[in-house]
Amino acid sequence: AQSVTQLDSHVSVSEGTPVLLRCNYSSSYSPSLFWYVQHPNKGLQLLLKYTSAATLVKGINGFEAEFKKSETSFHLTKPSAHMSDAAEYFCVVTVYGGATNKLIFGTGTLLAVQP
Amino acid sequence: DAGVTQSPTHLIKTRGQQVTLRCSPKSGHDTVSWYQQALGQGPQFIFQYYEEEERQRGNFPDRFSGHQFPNYSSELNVNALLLGDSALYLCASSSWGLPNTEAFFGQGTRLTVV
Repeated sequence: AQSVTQLDSHVSVSEGTPVLLRCNYSSSYSPSLFWYVQHPNKGLQLLLKYTSAATLVKGINGFEAEFKKSETSFHLTKPSAHMSDAAEYFCVVTVYGGATNKLIFGTGTLLAVQP
Repeated sequence: DAGVTQSPTHLIKTRGQQVTLRCSPKSGHDTVSWYQQALGQGPQFIFQYYEEEERQRGNFPDRFSGHQFPNYSSELNVNALLLGDSALYLCASSSWGLPNTEAFFGQGTRLTVV
């Protein structure tokens, strides 16, 4: 069965310092992986996705993630945190149901950015 | 483009009551999925509708049911509400036949059962 594990429930960084949010996945076949962000009182927004193309994926707002099959990881990084990055981040793996799929979410990582 | 819209935004119900939540998908999308997000948890897949039929279902009891209309909008119904049904209910829209494309989410309906 497909699943994702987010290794940190809370991460706190200072503005201007790097961000690392860790995610490991489990999948019986080559997965599609996503990172979504959820700001308070807002819907989920896609940051980036990996679908078996380039292993280094660039997303919006300066975020990127690297798919490492040998480590079954898909960690999210950003070189320099901004106050507006404070939000909850979800690592997601897809489960294919033929012509469509359902999303399996991790438990989330709450990112705090200190001034 | 209005994106995915959900109504109502907040709702308070009493145990044992029934509730209906509504979702209009993003323009051009034909598939609607519903997720339950309990406090402090990631969203959990409830079910998915396409062509007015339930296509996939997560591990939720039959108290949870849905419907999709010809205009692709959808409803989520929950009967015999329990305190544990209190959560943020999210609707996501996507395109059938394009499994790797982005699913767009609404802002959710916050259901509180008292």
